[in-house]
Amino acid sequence: ETGVTQTPRHLVMGMTNKKSLKCEQHLGHNAMYWYKQSAKKPLELMFVYNFKEQTENNSVPSRFSPECPNSSHLFLHLHTLQPEDSALYLCASSPSGGGREKLFFGSGTQLSVL
Amino acid sequence: GENVEQHPSTLSVQEGDSAVIKCTYSDSASNYFPWYKQELGKRPQLIIDIRSNVGEKKDQRIAVTLNKTAKHFSLHITETQPEDSAVYFCAATSGTYKYIFGTGTRLKVLA
Repeated sequence: ETGVTQTPRHLVMGMTNKKSLKCEQHLGHNAMYWYKQSAKKPLELMFVYNFKEQTENNSVPSRFSPECPNSSHLFLHLHTLQPEDSALYLCASSPSGGGREKLFFGSGTQLSVL
Repeated sequence: GENVEQHPSTLSVQEGDSAVIKCTYSDSASNYFPWYKQELGKRPQLIIDIRSNVGEKKDQRIAVTLNKTAKHFSLHITETQPEDSAVYFCAATSGTYKYIFGTGTRLKVLA
């Protein structure tokens, strides 16, 4: 299943580095999401884009900067991260973003901040 | 704020036995309750969902029940198989894109 593709799969970065996570969906969906998955915690919604417009910024620190150039691509730009930001970052898409619909997840980027 | 509590955090069952995972939600406006399965190293995938106008839904060996009065819903897996081993997440939403997820249950099916 390659509906939602995330790269890279693994990323190790220092606190002073700048890196970007990429997500691409081939499902024709109009909504895309970034979630953070930490051990023993619920999936945390970070950002939502609906028709390329950001509709949610769930109190995420400014060291995380999303970008959605079109409905098929989503980026998460990272800079000056902290060790507690180490987690699995999941991208997801859904048909309309209107709720009560199936989320299609990517395989995630496992991020380690040293 | 809204939250979803999920229990147990880990569950081990013998192959062929049944497994039950329970979730309780706080937002009485919640009306859609999906369950996602995440195998080790893989993406979460929707396995079943239920809307608030239905009390129970089945799909082969899996079923979900909803008790709106008590604000809880449960996932039932019968005749468990080794391939059912995974982390299962429940979620709730009041109809927006804001899904509130539970903390997950790691299910191990012992052969």
